[in-house]
Amino acid sequence: QKEVEQNSGPLSVPEGAIASLNCTYSDRVSQSFFWYRQYSGKSPELIMSIYSNGDKEDGRFTAQLNKASQYVSLLIRDSQPSDSATYLCAVYTNAGKSTFGDGTTLTVKP
Amino acid sequence: DTEVTQTPKHLVMGMTNKKSLKCEQHMGHRAMYWYKQKAKKPPELMFVYSYEKLSINESVPSRFSPECPNSSLLNLHLHALQPEDSALYLCASSQLPGSLDTQYFGPGTRLTVL
Repeated sequence: QKEVEQNSGPLSVPEGAIASLNCTYSDRVSQSFFWYRQYSGKSPELIMSIYSNGDKEDGRFTAQLNKASQYVSLLIRDSQPSDSATYLCAVYTNAGKSTFGDGTTLTVKP
Repeated sequence: DTEVTQTPKHLVMGMTNKKSLKCEQHMGHRAMYWYKQKAKKPPELMFVYSYEKLSINESVPSRFSPECPNSSLLNLHLHALQPEDSALYLCASSQLPGSLDTQYFGPGTRLTVL
């Protein structure tokens, strides 16, 4: 079992729709969770961070964390073509040790 | 300002060459990281420096040698690399070492080993 698993892509949604990205992790002592967006040929860019159970909203983005289920998700509302990218889920345990999921490639069609 | 800079942007080297990658941040961050990313794969952690000391080495081959001359700079010295080492090398920094701090990534160095 991979330490961090993301829903297999690619994911395609029409412009204006909600895109739902999911991530599960295996290490129960994981403390913090991040979603990064990576455009082709570019470095990862932080979208959201979440540390406690529940929802966290930032503009069109909502991160959800359920530590009991070891599950974290990212919802993108009103998806735009510029949201087309690979989304990486990162799980950090301690002392800066981080593990990334394989990523989910999202395409938003105009 | 959350900028991490990396030089060079692109590097082509032969298997017998010695080269260095450089990373710099002026945000006062005390933790710095090297990652390796192959095409269509996620970043893989290589090294973590915490307060200028190496705190994590993810069993990286000795042909990769990190160096942290001061709190703002991080180098990765390369020697006798293999073609399979071709990848995007990413530097990141965070305010403090530890799991709660956001890591900010630099633009990366695209390395090709011939």
